[in-house]
Amino acid sequence: GAVVSQHPSWVICKSGTSVKIECRSLDFQATTMFWYRQFPKQSLMLMATSNEGSKATYEQGVEKDKFLINHASLTLSTLTVTSAHPEDSSFYICSAQSASGETEAFFGQGTRLTVV
Amino acid sequence: AQSVSQHNHHVILSEAASLELGCNYSYGGTVNLFWYVQYPGQHLQLLLKYFSGDPLVKGIKGFEAEFIKSKFSFNLRKPSVQWSDTAEYFCAVNARAAGNKLTFGGGTRVLVKP
Repeated sequence: GAVVSQHPSWVICKSGTSVKIECRSLDFQATTMFWYRQFPKQSLMLMATSNEGSKATYEQGVEKDKFLINHASLTLSTLTVTSAHPEDSSFYICSAQSASGETEAFFGQGTRLTVV
Repeated sequence: AQSVSQHNHHVILSEAASLELGCNYSYGGTVNLFWYVQYPGQHLQLLLKYFSGDPLVKGIKGFEAEFIKSKFSFNLRKPSVQWSDTAEYFCAVNARAAGNKLTFGGGTRVLVKP
């Protein structure tokens, strides 16, 4: 199957700083990428849908000014957690959908963010 | 809005036992249905999917799922589990009218005792 890579796999940052997480589709072009958040022992919650070349669509309750999403190319989307706080500590997962129209989404390995 | 419910949070069983994980969704329109697995320390992997056609879908590693439209269900089954099936399993639904957003169930942690 197609490969989606997230970087970094884990990051620890100080409260108040910003952290950028990258999501790359390695062997296909992704017109749409999705960002999820997974709390311990809970399911994935969709945060936003990122479309190449346009603004992201955020789910209800997700602060767009706090979670900045950029999808500047067909193989890269980034999520920046701005002014991070300990409650932002979580597992962030991206998925990417092929530009060919295949409806299956391929997932990255996730990024564990710890804010201290 | 669509929602997905997985009935069991935790399942513990012995090797060679049969496994069935329940999944129900609420959405009145046409849906695509998925089961994903997350092995310890690994990322989500697709087990199987249903878009249309035969409601009994066979996936990888001996898993299958049956879509019962009248019951809004998509239960996952495996006749004989192995220790390596220890993982968390997620049911997901994508309402075709809502684009390609996936809504996940709460997940079921399966522990297979050797």
